[in-house]
Amino acid sequence: AQSVTQPDIHITVSEGASLELRCNYSYGATPYLFWYVQSPGQGLQLLLKYFSGDTLVQGIKGFEAEFKRSQSSFNLRKPSVHWSDAAEYFCAVGGSGGSYIPTFGRGTSLIVHP
Amino acid sequence: DVKVTQSSRYLVKRTGEKVFLECVQDMDHENMFWYRQDPGLGLRLIYFSYDVKMKEKGDIPEGYSVSREKKERFSLILESASTNQTSMYLCASSLSGGTMYNEQFFGPGTRLTVL
Repeated sequence: AQSVTQPDIHITVSEGASLELRCNYSYGATPYLFWYVQSPGQGLQLLLKYFSGDTLVQGIKGFEAEFKRSQSSFNLRKPSVHWSDAAEYFCAVGGSGGSYIPTFGRGTSLIVHP
Repeated sequence: DVKVTQSSRYLVKRTGEKVFLECVQDMDHENMFWYRQDPGLGLRLIYFSYDVKMKEKGDIPEGYSVSREKKERFSLILESASTNQTSMYLCASSLSGGTMYNEQFFGPGTRLTVL
């Protein structure tokens, strides 16, 4: 069975500081990995995705994520956080084994201090 | 751009009422999903559908049913609303045809309050 762990429920950073949100997954085959962002009162928006190829993936809004198979991780990073990045972030793993239903982590809430 | 719309952003209903939540997508996606989102629990899958008139139970189907009469529309039904169904409901859609299309597109959500 596939699963996703986001170890941090809340992360607080200062505006302009760097950010890393952690995501660990469990999947028996080649994983397809996603990061979504949810602004307050909104639905989820895809930030980036990894299917294959280059393990460093660039996304929208200046975000990037790195797939590390040996660590079963897909951490999200941003070099300089803006106040508008305050939101809920979800990591998800989809199946290369035929399942078209991604499994989501419980989310990490990002708080940005001015 | 894929667009997924949900009929209401906010809804207030009374215990015992029958509630319909509607979702429409405009990109001819085969798969559609209903999730509920609660603080600390993330997204939990209620039902999904991979084709017209086809449906499968997700992780928490109790108290819910769904209907998919047309490809673009997927309805979530609360037969008799209860206070523990107060939540944010998210609809999503995705292409079929293999795992390249696992990416889901989400609607803005419906915040349902049952009094």
